[in-house]
Amino acid sequence: QVQLVQSGAEVKKPGSSVKVSCKASGGTFSSYAISWVRQAPGQGLEWMGGIIPIFGTANYAQKFQGRVTITADKSTSTAYMELSSLRSEDTAVYYCARVVVVAGTSGYFDYWGQGTLVTVSS
Amino acid sequence: QSVLTQPPSPSGTPGQRVTISCSGSSSNIGSNYVYWYQQLPGTAPKLLIYKNNQRPSGVPDRFSGSKSGTSASLAISGLRSEDEADYYCAAWDDSLRGVVFGGGTKLTVL
Repeated sequence: QVQLVQSGAEVKKPGSSVKVSCKASGGTFSSYAISWVRQAPGQGLEWMGGIIPIFGTANYAQKFQGRVTITADKSTSTAYMELSSLRSEDTAVYYCARVVVVAGTSGYFDYWGQGTLVTVSS
Repeated sequence: QSVLTQPPSPSGTPGQRVTISCSGSSSNIGSNYVYWYQQLPGTAPKLLIYKNNQRPSGVPDRFSGSKSGTSASLAISGLRSEDEADYYCAAWDDSLRGVVFGGGTKLTVL
């Protein structure tokens, strides 16, 4: 079955960057999009952006434009999310999710990774 | 402040039917599909409803979704203790060019 396995927890200093990976198995990686969603402690879900690996083009939520970079490596079926200029408010669990594209780049998230806790603290 | 608006914390007793609403605008719910996700404590979200009212395989038919205009609803009938979770609605927003979520609704089963 489809599995998305993310990299482990990270502790980062303010101003630094973090790169989280998401390795897919059990499906055709290039046939779907991958999105990244984060959840701050005790808060709701927030979409950060996504990528369609077969095209290699990413789109980002306006809030994160210029600070987030989403990439995909088709050869290893792995997607990456890099967030720079970290601040304490970026402390959150970061999820990757497989996207079933319905129209354009929009769709729904049918499989999710287990989540990666990123803690930003001095 | 979330783009989609959900009620905070409804509750119900086992066997009851509860409804969770999700209010948006013409740029999101009004012109795109609505999706619902269930998040059990300490776990990743799970897809519950897609394309307004479709259930993925494995999701019980106790869960149903509907949409009218710029609002959507998730109904849960025959409430069970294991339904106690956070529920999120989501949709694509044409103006923001991205996915927007509701703030989440924490359902308590008494």
